[in-house]
Amino acid sequence: ELKVEQNPLFLSMQEGKNYTIYCNYSTTSDRLYWYRQDPGKSLESLFVLLSNGAVKQEGRLMASLDTKARLSTLHITAAVHDLSATYFCARWDTGNQFYFGTGTSLTVIP
Amino acid sequence: KAGVTQTPRYLIKTRGQQVTLSCSPISGHRSVSWYQQTPGQGLQFLFEYFSETQRNKGNFPGRFSGRQFSNSRSEMNVSTLELGDSALYLCASSEGRPGETQYFGPGTRLLVL
Repeated sequence: ELKVEQNPLFLSMQEGKNYTIYCNYSTTSDRLYWYRQDPGKSLESLFVLLSNGAVKQEGRLMASLDTKARLSTLHITAAVHDLSATYFCARWDTGNQFYFGTGTSLTVIP
Repeated sequence: KAGVTQTPRYLIKTRGQQVTLSCSPISGHRSVSWYQQTPGQGLQFLFEYFSETQRNKGNFPGRFSGRQFSNSRSEMNVSTLELGDSALYLCASSEGRPGETQYFGPGTRLLVL
């Protein structure tokens, strides 16, 4: 069964601190996606990681992919309040179906 | 370009009724996928339509169905509603090439009483 697991599920961090969200998936995939969802809103695409070793950065967020370990990470640098949201990773398989992780609810405390 | 739009945004129904949700994709996008989001089960894939054909289907009962029109707009229908169908229903569109990033609409929040 295809599974995508994220940890932690909940993350409370102080402004200015660094932290990493982990995304593990159960079967091989060369594509991994990260999305952000604000409360009551829809999902916003953040990153698409297309190959082993891929690294993408946007502002204070950096995502990486290790297909051999079946692991993607989303690293937050010097967190600010505006980053408070729920972050989802999603795996794509050749059946053109996306499998989403459980989500990580991030709260940045001033 | 305008984003993905969904109507209605909020809906209240009672058990046993049926409901139809609508999704208009980004202009030029031919693929529309539907997802159900609940606190307990998270985001689950319902089905995907491409060029008016269902191309992929998740593990939902037959009460959940959909269709796509020639202008790529899609509708999702749920018959014989159950309490557990209360959820946020999201649609997402893409141009249709496998593995492309999907762009999500604002969702329709369905409450079944």
